[in-house]
Amino acid sequence: ETGVTQSPTHLIKTRGQQVTLRCSSQSGHNTVSWYQQALGQGPQFIFQYYREEENGRGNFPPRFSGLQFPNYSSELNVNALELDDSALYLCASNLRSVNEQFFGPGTRLTVL
Amino acid sequence: QQQVKQSPQSLIVQKGGISIINCAYENTAFDYFPWYQQFPGKGPALLIAIRPDVSEKKEGRFTISFNKSAKQFSLHIMDSQPGDSATYFCAASSHNTDKLIFGTGTRLQVFP
Repeated sequence: ETGVTQSPTHLIKTRGQQVTLRCSSQSGHNTVSWYQQALGQGPQFIFQYYREEENGRGNFPPRFSGLQFPNYSSELNVNALELDDSALYLCASNLRSVNEQFFGPGTRLTVL
Repeated sequence: QQQVKQSPQSLIVQKGGISIINCAYENTAFDYFPWYQQFPGKGPALLIAIRPDVSEKKEGRFTISFNKSAKQFSLHIMDSQPGDSATYFCAASSHNTDKLIFGTGTRLQVFP
């Protein structure tokens, strides 16, 4: 059984740029959620994808967007990067209707 | 109403001691309460979870106690070991969203 994987591990961008983060869900899982974890804080829910459609969104602006592909992998896109977007971005997957979410190792994004 | 409050912020325990972390919630729609363990630079790892139909769940040295009327739940780590030193997050979700609401985290340090 393959766990949740994320790429890249680390990323450095400058203000105003755009970034794409990638996630492969655990085998057998059809739902992917993205979370932002600022330093010293708990993860904050960004949005969730199921059947290639957004299925719930947290308190994040529209410049945070995502995709889910037929193989259940997912992308998180952030436009017009701001300094406060610097954080660990976590992807979690689960089987729909089963609450247990398993997290990937995260992508550390630094915005300068 | 969506908050999960976690305490203490940090905890220092001697090897062999009991570590206790507490969480409280307000939203009565929550019906799934997991605990995650996170090491520096890693994603959160699911440790143990409970649903409101039971008051206690034990897995090895880890026990969740759940008090539905008080809307509180806690994690007990028995015989704490230096390898348990990590940040612990409680979380909550409801069956119709899968969205996890996290507490602010507890940094546990276990000294030999």
